Amino acid sequence: EPEVTQTPSHQVTQMGQEVILRCVPISNHLYFYWYRQILGQKVEFLVSFYNNEISEKSEIFDDQFSVERPDGSNFTLKIRSTKLEDSAMYFCASRPGLAGVSYEQYFGPGTRLTVT
Amino acid sequence: LAKTTQPISMDSYEGQEVNITCSHNNIATNDYITWYQQFPSQGPRFIIQGYKTKVTNEVASLFIPADRKSSTLSLPRVSLSDTAVYYCLVGGGSQGNLIFGKGTKLSVKP
Repeated sequence: EPEVTQTPSHQVTQMGQEVILRCVPISNHLYFYWYRQILGQKVEFLVSFYNNEISEKSEIFDDQFSVERPDGSNFTLKIRSTKLEDSAMYFCASRPGLAGVSYEQYFGPGTRLTVT
Repeated sequence: LAKTTQPISMDSYEGQEVNITCSHNNIATNDYITWYQQFPSQGPRFIIQGYKTKVTNEVASLFIPADRKSSTLSLPRVSLSDTAVYYCLVGGGSQGNLIFGKGTKLSVKP
């Protein structure tokens, strides 16, 4: 069964450093998402991406964040200057975009980001 | 987006049927109701989605009354491995963005 993969599984970085989190969505999917989950809290939507551009973003997704689909398979989330409060689990998800309505998103295993 | 309310936690025993109810009084006409499951340190996993009446798949059933202001996720004969957080989501927007609430933490005991 196809699945979303994410690398690395755990990233430790110092405050102020740039990090890039990588995701490989399921190959025939058209919609891509990033979510984050601070330890013990709920999953929060960050950004959605479709047709090579951001389609929607939350208040969390400020100028420090960016997303990119550099080739036909990878989908990346970049945090330019990390802050302590960016420490969280980051989940990538994708959706087929088939005709009709379906909110079935396929989530990756997550990248645990620790900012020290 | 419609706000959802569900119990913070529930306890059950192996082999029992578990019903988790979610209220969504402000659901819009074009909103769907979707349930996700999340195990610790894992990404959420889609369980079931419905618009009205009843939907059943190999994992669960979803009951939606006529007014659609609530929904009930039914897990038949739970096992220890069903211990997880269950999220009820309504809508999704034009891009399908998921807005998660705090979910219901289900603990299944032997």
